[in-house]
Amino acid sequence: SQQGEEDPQALSIQEGENATMNCSYKTSINNLQWYRQNSGRGLVHLILIRSNEREKHSGRLRVTLDTSKKSSSLLITASRAADTASYFCATVGGGGADGLTFGKGTHLIIQP
Amino acid sequence: DAGVIQSPRHEVTEMGQEVTLRCKPISGHNSLFWYRQTMMRGLELLIYFNNNVPIDDSGMPEDRFSAKMPNASFSTLKIQPSEPRDSAVYFCASSLRTGYTDTQYFGPGTRLTVL
Repeated sequence: SQQGEEDPQALSIQEGENATMNCSYKTSINNLQWYRQNSGRGLVHLILIRSNEREKHSGRLRVTLDTSKKSSSLLITASRAADTASYFCATVGGGGADGLTFGKGTHLIIQP
Repeated sequence: DAGVIQSPRHEVTEMGQEVTLRCKPISGHNSLFWYRQTMMRGLELLIYFNNNVPIDDSGMPEDRFSAKMPNASFSTLKIQPSEPRDSAVYFCASSLRTGYTDTQYFGPGTRLTVL
């Protein structure tokens, strides 16, 4: 079953702009991860944030986590055409389960 | 490192046939996961192994699906008999479970079409 729900489902912006995607989840988590999937390809891990962390940065990526609201956001700054992809949030349960529970994803299109 | 290797990359079969998907995890990783991706249901965890032992197979749709991991470098997902609704992209992922990091590394997937 789907745990995370990304918002928006689709996002189209101009190159150079910032892109923000949101994710909500339902149950307690150990950590939350963001993955990218290019069309027809596998998933690539972008960043992981633990339940006791509130913000994390990696290059042009910034992730926030609000466990009280059960939500996370992914910000991509200075977007590039190569950032065009689907972005998924995935959670690892607080019960110690290892499998990822994915949301349905946000399809991001960067217009050159 | 070669990353997670899956074979075949594409499989087209007829309903009722047996299908076997293969996965070679990243060397040294001790956890292996099988996921399925469809337009309707998105990405779903089917089963995962820790140290070659199946831990949670609650995501396996029904008895037609089975998975094995005979050693640390190989896993199979078998569907017998296959049905058109099994058409999907099947991903294998592996990770090094240390108790601190849970990053999973995904293979390129196997696109299965059951006619």
